[in-house]
Amino acid sequence: GAGVSQTPSNKVTEKGKYVELRCDPISGHTALYWYRQSLGQGPEFLIYFQGTGAADDSGLPNDRFFAVRPEGSVSTLKIQRTERGDSAVYLCASSARTGQHSPLHFGNGTRLTVT
Amino acid sequence: QQQVKQSPQSLIVQKGGISIINCAYENTAFDYFPWYQQFPGKGPALLIAIRPDVSEKKEGRFTISFNKSAKQFSLHIMDSQPGDSATYFCAATGGTSYGKLTFGQGTILTVHP
Repeated sequence: GAGVSQTPSNKVTEKGKYVELRCDPISGHTALYWYRQSLGQGPEFLIYFQGTGAADDSGLPNDRFFAVRPEGSVSTLKIQRTERGDSAVYLCASSARTGQHSPLHFGNGTRLTVT
Repeated sequence: QQQVKQSPQSLIVQKGGISIINCAYENTAFDYFPWYQQFPGKGPALLIAIRPDVSEKKEGRFTISFNKSAKQFSLHIMDSQPGDSATYFCAATGGTSYGKLTFGQGTILTVHP
C-alpha cells in the first residue's frame, strides 16, 4: 500500500531490554514524526525529522529514547533499558513538507508492552 | 500553556442526531486546528482543519466552529451515523512546524442505530 508502514505491529519485551521500532513513510515525504499514545490519551509528540536530521526532539522523555533517519526515508525509534511506563502505542507519521497545508499521514502504530 | 482541553470524554448519540465535541486552548501562538478521527487499532486520520482567520468551516456532515477570542473550537457532526463511531481528537499547532501537534485527550463517540 501507499500509506505509512510501521513494524512490528506489536512488541512485547521485558523490563530492561532494548527495542527498535521501524517506520516506513510515504514515498517522497520529507518530514517524519514520532508520537506516543498512552491508553485513553491523545498522541504526544516525541521527535520530528526534516530529511535526515532531527529538527525537533523536544518531546523525547529522556536519554533512553533515540531516533534516527539515516537516508531521509525509513526511521527507527530506539528505546534502551525499557521500563513498564514505556508501554504505549508508538505512532509514526509523515508529510510532504512541514507547512500548514501538508497534512500528517499516520501509520497504525506499534503497540509496545513492557512486562 | 501547551495544553488543549477536550470535552466530553465520551458521547452517545442516536443515528441522525448531532454530535458536538468541544476544545479549548491556551497558547495564542497556535494558528492551525485540525481534528482527527481514530478507529480501534488504527492511526489517527485527518478529518477537517481550520485556521483562526475564519469562524466556521464545513466539509460534508462535519463542521468546525472557531471562537478566537474565547480560544475555543468545536466539531459538529450532523446526521451522525453508526459508522462515525470512533475516537475524535482535536489538535493545535503553529510556528515553524505544523506537524508538531498538541492533541486533546479524545472523545469516544458512539452512534446508536
